[in-house]
Formats: sequence, C-alpha cells, structure tokens
Amino acid sequence: EDQVTQSPEALRLQEGESSSLNCSYTVSGLRGLFWYRQDPGKGPEFLFTLYSAGEEKEKERLKATLTKKESFLHITAPKPEDSATYLCAVGETSGSRLTFGEGTQLTVNP
Amino acid sequence: SAVISQKPSRDICQRGTSLTIQCQVDSQVTMMFWYRQQPGQSLTLIATANQGSEATYESGFVIDKFPISRPNLTFSTLTVSNMSPEDSSIYLCSVAKKGPNYGYTFGSGTRLTVV
Repeated sequence: EDQVTQSPEALRLQEGESSSLNCSYTVSGLRGLFWYRQDPGKGPEFLFTLYSAGEEKEKERLKATLTKKESFLHITAPKPEDSATYLCAVGETSGSRLTFGEGTQLTVNP
Repeated sequence: SAVISQKPSRDICQRGTSLTIQCQVDSQVTMMFWYRQQPGQSLTLIATANQGSEATYESGFVIDKFPISRPNLTFSTLTVSNMSPEDSSIYLCSVAKKGPNYGYTFGSGTRLTVV
C-alpha cells in the first residue's frame, strides 16, 4: 500500500527565512510525485510533478527535488502570500489514483 | 490545462437527506476523480469515474452511499446519500492534466455541513 508522510505538520517562518518541507513516500512503482498548494476554502492548486530521482523543478520562490525515498519543497525568502497548506501526493505506475500526505501548514509572518 | 466548475460551492443539509454535487470540465477527459477532505485532514479518493462504465470505488466507500454518474466526457455528479454529520467534509472533483507537465487539476470543492 502506498504511503506518504509529510513533515513538519506545521511550520511558522518569518518573511525572508528560507526553509524546506519534507515528503517521504513508499510506493510500489512511482509514476509521479506531485506537489500542491491549498488555500483555505479552495481546491488544491498544482505546483510540480517530479518523475525520477535527481529531478528538480522551480517556480518563483519554490524548488522541488526528488530522491528514491523522499521529496523536498524548498522555499527561498518566503513572503506572507506563500502561507498555505502544501500537499504532496504520489501516483503509482499500476494505476491512476493519487495518495496524498497530510500536508504541511505553512505560515509566513511579515 | 482543464478548467473545472464545481457546484454547489457549499451547502448545509439536514441529516437523512441527499446532496448531488456537479462537476463540469471545459474539455473532454477520460477519467474524473472524486475526493473527500475531512476537516483538518488531507484528501482521500472516493472513486474514479469513467465515461460509459460504472465508477470504481476505493476501500471504505460504497456505491449506495456515494452514487456517481458520468453521462459524458465533460460532466460527472457525486451524490452523498442519507447524510449524517460524519459526512461533513469538502468534496472535490479532479481530472488528469494533459501535456508535458502532467498532473491533476482540482475543482474548487463543495463544503458540505450536515446538521
């Protein structure tokens, strides 16, 4: 059974204070690892898909990396508008379903 | 990428009643997915809806409780039947994106409160 564990559960940063979120996963065959951002009362917003170990993707202040066991979402010089819950999910090669982690609630204080 | 319209955005319902949630996509998609997000928790897949065939339900979810329709390639409905307060959640539909940056797009969700 696929498993996704995200840490920390909650993270509070000062504006400009860089940090990383972790997503550890267990899957029989990785089809893709997905990062989403979710604001309160809204559906998840797609950020990145990573397919293989060593892959990296960037978008503004966010950078996602992938190893065979985990993924990191690095946030460089965050701003208050980066405050949200960040969700990680994995898709396996044998099907189309996604398995989500519990998310990391990020708060960036001005 | 696909744009998803989900209705209603929120509702407050009496226990024992049913609510049907609609999901409209602006392009044809093979598979549509229905998720539940309970308060303070992450997303759990309820079922996968393919056009022209019965939905495939995940463990712990049954068709009598969550009947799904998929009449064409752009539309699906999820009904939450005989509701109880434990059904209070956000319900989300999702479709697979196409293109090199493959991923999944989500609707804005339906926030359901059962009283």
